[in-house]
Amino acid sequence: AQKITQTQPGMFVQEKEAVTLDCTYDTSDPSYGLFWYKQPSSGEMIFLIYQGSYDQQNATEGRYSLNFQKARKSANLVISASQLGDSAMYFCAMRPTQGGSEKLVFGKGTKLTVNP
Amino acid sequence: EAGVAQSPRYKIIEKRQSVAFWCNPISGHATLYWYQQILGQGPKLLIQFQNNGVVDDSQLPKDRFSAERLKGVDSTLKIQPAKLEDSAVYLCASSLGGAQGNIQYFGAGTRLSVL
Repeated sequence: AQKITQTQPGMFVQEKEAVTLDCTYDTSDPSYGLFWYKQPSSGEMIFLIYQGSYDQQNATEGRYSLNFQKARKSANLVISASQLGDSAMYFCAMRPTQGGSEKLVFGKGTKLTVNP
Repeated sequence: EAGVAQSPRYKIIEKRQSVAFWCNPISGHATLYWYQQILGQGPKLLIQFQNNGVVDDSQLPKDRFSAERLKGVDSTLKIQPAKLEDSAVYLCASSLGGAQGNIQYFGAGTRLSVL
């Protein structure tokens, strides 16, 4: 079974500063993918970034980067130069990439608040 | 490119009533998912379709929930009869399908309140 743990219920950051949102995972699958989604108050889940378990480099997408440490089973999201519009819930998720169901298993999320 | 469309956005019903949600996936996406998100939690998969066939419905409460995807495009999720604990946001997602690096794109969800 897969499990995602997000230990930070809430995080605060000043505008223009960087912030790290923690995510640890547990799985017995040899190959898997890790995802981060943003959920504003409007409710839609917005895909941010993906990391494959066999990718050699950490994923980056604009101001988002994923600090992937396979041995520690962590996949932390780093947001650089925070903006007021980054205030939202952030969810870490995973799924196997070989066979089986394609369902995403989500953590409980972290609520990020960006202060002006 | 249009995203995943869901309707209605909000629904309020009384327990034991029936309700249905509709989802139109991104054009060309073979795989469609319904997730349930209870307040304070991450989404949980209810059912996954590949075209119009069910791939995974292991977490769907089949005594009251049903879903269909006619013609492999639009999908409907129904609850009959609703219980108080069904109050949640119901998210529809779609993807191209396949294994490596498959990204699921979500709609805005339907927020259901059961009174």
